[in-house]
Amino acid sequence: DAKTTQPNSMESNEEEPVHLPCNHSTISGTDYIHWYRQLPSQGPEYVIHGLTSNVNNRMASLAIAEDRKSSTLILHRATLRDAAVYYCILRVGFGNEKLTFGTGTRLTIIP
Amino acid sequence: DTEVTQTPKHLVMGMTNKKSLKCEQHMGHRAMYWYKQKAKKPPELMFVYSYEKLSINESVPSRFSPECPNSSLLNLHLHALQPEDSALYLCASSQDAGIYHEKLFFGSGTQLSVL
Repeated sequence: DAKTTQPNSMESNEEEPVHLPCNHSTISGTDYIHWYRQLPSQGPEYVIHGLTSNVNNRMASLAIAEDRKSSTLILHRATLRDAAVYYCILRVGFGNEKLTFGTGTRLTIIP
Repeated sequence: DTEVTQTPKHLVMGMTNKKSLKCEQHMGHRAMYWYKQKAKKPPELMFVYSYEKLSINESVPSRFSPECPNSSLLNLHLHALQPEDSALYLCASSQDAGIYHEKLFFGSGTQLSVL
């Protein structure tokens, strides 16, 4: 699987937007970009995924660079409940049964 | 029901014990997964079951023995574990395996301590 690079940690103020970056310079044309997060004492939970176009859902937005070598997860208005480790994962298209986690970004929300 | 239920939540066992972890889902998912997570580290894939058949074993030692008795249940049998096997064991499920857009649903895990 292609590798992703994320900052180890980030801090953000409550009620402000948060932009979590992810670099994936070796991404191939069939790799999908997935984001999961893991809250303290919980299992990971799916956040969002995309291929080329920007994506929005009720949890977050995913902005994908035109060359697809990087992406950004956007939390529009962070709350204390968004404090978690956020994982950016590349998943090959059909036929790949693995979901392989990288080291992730630990997001701290400052009240 | 979008839950993956894992039992027990906590388990302490000796190195000579035999114990089992249990995972259950009622979403009609046909793929189920075991992950191991050490403290402050990302989850690491151990096993994947697809349609009740083992499809991936990530070179896991034989002291870990998975079992999928039916499409809703996944067990992990533990025997002769070592202290370094102490970790959070996570179960996950998805509608199918190997499809790019499938999201995984995770349980809250079993925190295992081996003494």
